[in-house]
Amino acid sequence: DIVLTQSPGTLSLSPGESATLSCRASQGVSSKYLGWYQQKPGQAPRLLFYDASSRATGIPDRFSGSGSGTDFTLTISRLEPEDFAVYYCHQYGTSPQTFGGGTKVEIK
Amino acid sequence: EVQLVESGGGLVQPGGSLRLSCAASGFTFSSYAMTWVRLTPGKGLEWVSSIGNSAASTYYADSVRGRFTISRNNFRSMLYLQMSSLRAEDTAVYYCARGSYYYELWGQGTQVTVSS
Repeated sequence: DIVLTQSPGTLSLSPGESATLSCRASQGVSSKYLGWYQQKPGQAPRLLFYDASSRATGIPDRFSGSGSGTDFTLTISRLEPEDFAVYYCHQYGTSPQTFGGGTKVEIK
Repeated sequence: EVQLVESGGGLVQPGGSLRLSCAASGFTFSSYAMTWVRLTPGKGLEWVSSIGNSAASTYYADSVRGRFTISRNNFRSMLYLQMSSLRAEDTAVYYCARGSYYYELWGQGTQVTVSS
């Protein structure tokens, strides 16, 4: 199975700052089949990106996704109060699909 | 409105069974593969099972294969997850999601707690 390691585990930032979240795969992710989700307590995950850098419907452009192979990045520029949440990466190129352990972005 | 609504969660003893349901509305259910994903406190999100749009193909995580069965009724726009031989580690919020690769539509989740 492909293991996705997300870092850091927790990111403490202030509104207006930028966040850089890393997702490293134990082996190459096929065809850049990597997605990012945002999840807030008591809510379902929300798709942010698929295929590494394709923004999902309604996602603001302060969010960006990049990467290939084994290294992927989610960047949030100018954090808004509603951006504080847990973020998961997800690979669906190789069965079984797997999720990373998550990065919590918390208010400093 | 396009939505998914799960039901059927609850408290069950180890070794017990439970059937989860997911009602789809607002889209052509029979055109989409469907998936169950669970959220556990210790492990985060975990893919559980997927089913093709015609139910001809089903897929399971190793952790549930042989104990869980995914199925669907396209006439009723319903997705199911029959869970048996439940273990403490199956305790989670279970979500149904549209698709089998990435998931743009999710239900609100249903809590399953396995405890004596």
